[in-house]
Amino acid sequence: EDQVTQSPEALRLQEGESSSLNCSYTVSGLRGLFWYRQDPGKGPEFLFTLYSAGEEKEKERLKATLTKKESFLHITAPKPEDSATYLCAVLNNAGNMLTFGGGTRLMVKP
Amino acid sequence: DAEITQSPRHKITETGRQVTLACHQTWNHNNMFWYRQDLGHGLRLIHYSYGVHDTNKGEVSDGYSVSRSNTEDLPLTLESAASSQTSVYFCASSPGTGLYGYTFGSGTRLTVV
Repeated sequence: EDQVTQSPEALRLQEGESSSLNCSYTVSGLRGLFWYRQDPGKGPEFLFTLYSAGEEKEKERLKATLTKKESFLHITAPKPEDSATYLCAVLNNAGNMLTFGGGTRLMVKP
Repeated sequence: DAEITQSPRHKITETGRQVTLACHQTWNHNNMFWYRQDLGHGLRLIHYSYGVHDTNKGEVSDGYSVSRSNTEDLPLTLESAASSQTSVYFCASSPGTGLYGYTFGSGTRLTVV
């Protein structure tokens, strides 16, 4: 059974204070690892897909990296508008279904 | 622009009533999913469909049903609403392969009193 664990559950940062969110996974054949952003009262919004260890993707202040056991979402010089819950999910080689982690709630104070 | 819409956005119902939540997508995606999201549990899969007339149970399917009569719609029915079904419900869709991830609706907040 695929498992995804995200840490920390919550993270408070000051504006400009860089940090990383962790997504650890066990999966039977990784086909893809996905990062989503979820704002309060809204559905998750797609950020990145990573397909193989060593791959990196960037979008504005966010950079996602992937190893064989975990993924990191690095946030450089965050702003208050980066405050949201960040979800990680994996897709295995057996089907078309994502397994989600519990999310990290990020709060960035000005 | 293609989209996925859920209705209603908010619903209050009484215990024991039948409730149907609507999900409509114009992406022409084969796959559609229903999740519930609760504090401490994250997103949990209720039911899913890989195409017209195909439906499958997820990890928390008891008390819920779905039917897929066309590509665009996957309504979720609570046969007899219970207080434990108070939650936020999200519908999602994806193309035939999961490699492109999911597109989510904005959610329905359901309260069972």
